[in-house]
Amino acid sequence: EVQLVESGGDLVQPGGSLRLSCVVSGFTFSDHYIDWVRQAPGKGLEWVGRSRNKAKSYSTDYAASVKGRFTLSRDDSKNSLYLQMNSLKTEDTAVYYCVREYDSSGHYYHDAFEIWGQGTMVTVSS
Amino acid sequence: QSVLTQPPSVSAAPGQKVTISCSGSSSNIGKDYVSWFQQLPGTVPKLLIYDNNKRPSGIPDRFSGSKSGTSATLGITGLQTGDEADYYCGVWDSSLTAVVFGGGTKLTVL
Repeated sequence: EVQLVESGGDLVQPGGSLRLSCVVSGFTFSDHYIDWVRQAPGKGLEWVGRSRNKAKSYSTDYAASVKGRFTLSRDDSKNSLYLQMNSLKTEDTAVYYCVREYDSSGHYYHDAFEIWGQGTMVTVSS
Repeated sequence: QSVLTQPPSVSAAPGQKVTISCSGSSSNIGKDYVSWFQQLPGTVPKLLIYDNNKRPSGIPDRFSGSKSGTSATLGITGLQTGDEADYYCGVWDSSLTAVVFGGGTKLTVL
């Protein structure tokens, strides 16, 4: 079964740091782009960042709102993607979802997020 | 303010048809492929449409997508009460080098 499982969400003070983890199973991790999408309470979806696949040298992109504060990294040996979040702000409060692109028999649609984790809650508050 | 513009809400009666618009620009919808997501209350979003008009396996053909220029549209026919949800469009923006989403549209089936 294809699965993404996030962890690491917590209550943290403004200016603090947190590392989220996304452990994947059921597919070849290195073949796929993995993104993070967040949703503030009662609000819409906001894209956070992208880690591309091995073929694209695991290159990354970030939303302007988090660039310079958040960093994506991978550990293929653990089938894990990490989101290091520094200098956290109250506006970073949200459920953070790890998501995988749609795979149509080996043809990948990078911006069509087919597989979603259950989400992990990050609360930034004093 | 979202890069993509969607109406905040739409409504229609059971069995009827509804469309949800998503307006963007030449750097996003005008250049790349649009996806649509459905988020039922209290659940994780679900992919409904990819590549502007394709449905993943398991998505009924009551759901359709189209694109023209810098706008995209999600259509839902034979509305059911179970379709009540928030719907989001999403696409890559080449100027921002980011995925952008619409603000979401709440569908009410009266």
